[in-house]
Amino acid sequence: GAVVSQHPSRVICKSGTSVKIECRSLDFQATTMFWYRQFPKKSLMLMATSNEGSKATYEQGVEKDKFLINHASLTLSTLTVTSAHPEDSSFYICSAYRGTGNEQFFGPGTRLTVL
Amino acid sequence: GNSVTQMEGPVTLSEEAFLTINCTYTATGYPSLFWYVQYPGEGLQLLLKATKADDKGSNKGFEATYRKETTSFHLEKGSVQVSDSAVYFCALRNLNRDDKIIFGKGTRLHILP
Repeated sequence: GAVVSQHPSRVICKSGTSVKIECRSLDFQATTMFWYRQFPKKSLMLMATSNEGSKATYEQGVEKDKFLINHASLTLSTLTVTSAHPEDSSFYICSAYRGTGNEQFFGPGTRLTVL
Repeated sequence: GNSVTQMEGPVTLSEEAFLTINCTYTATGYPSLFWYVQYPGEGLQLLLKATKADDKGSNKGFEATYRKETTSFHLEKGSVQVSDSAVYFCALRNLNRDDKIIFGKGTRLHILP
């Protein structure tokens, strides 16, 4: 199946700093990517839909100025958590939509810990 | 709106037991239905899917049948293994609307040797 990677897999940062998470589709072009957040023992919460070359569409309640999304190319989307706080600690998962076959493929996730 | 409801966990079974994880959905239009599995510390993997009524998705001994009349997509396996221990998510995507996937809350499965 198609491969989606995320980098880094784990990151620990100090409160107030910004963290960038990359999501790459390795063997297909993804015009649309999605960013999810998963709280411990909870389901995935869709944060935003990232479309290549245009602004991301954020779900209700998600602060767009805090979670900056850039989809600069057909294989790369980035999520930047700005001025991170301990409550931003979570597991962030991206997915990439491959039009052929109408499938979404998920990355392995990035665990963010804010001290 | 679209939603997915699945049975709360955790579910604890002995090895070789029969597994059922219930999932029901609410959707307008004609959604595709999915089961995803998340092993400890990992991201989601697609386990199986069904795109229309009466379709049966199957993979790794797991099965689920798309039942439009009962709006259900229950996951079953005849004989579970310790390696099946994971969190299982039922999900839907409505192709008539957008590409968003709506997930259930997940069911944690523990298989005891």
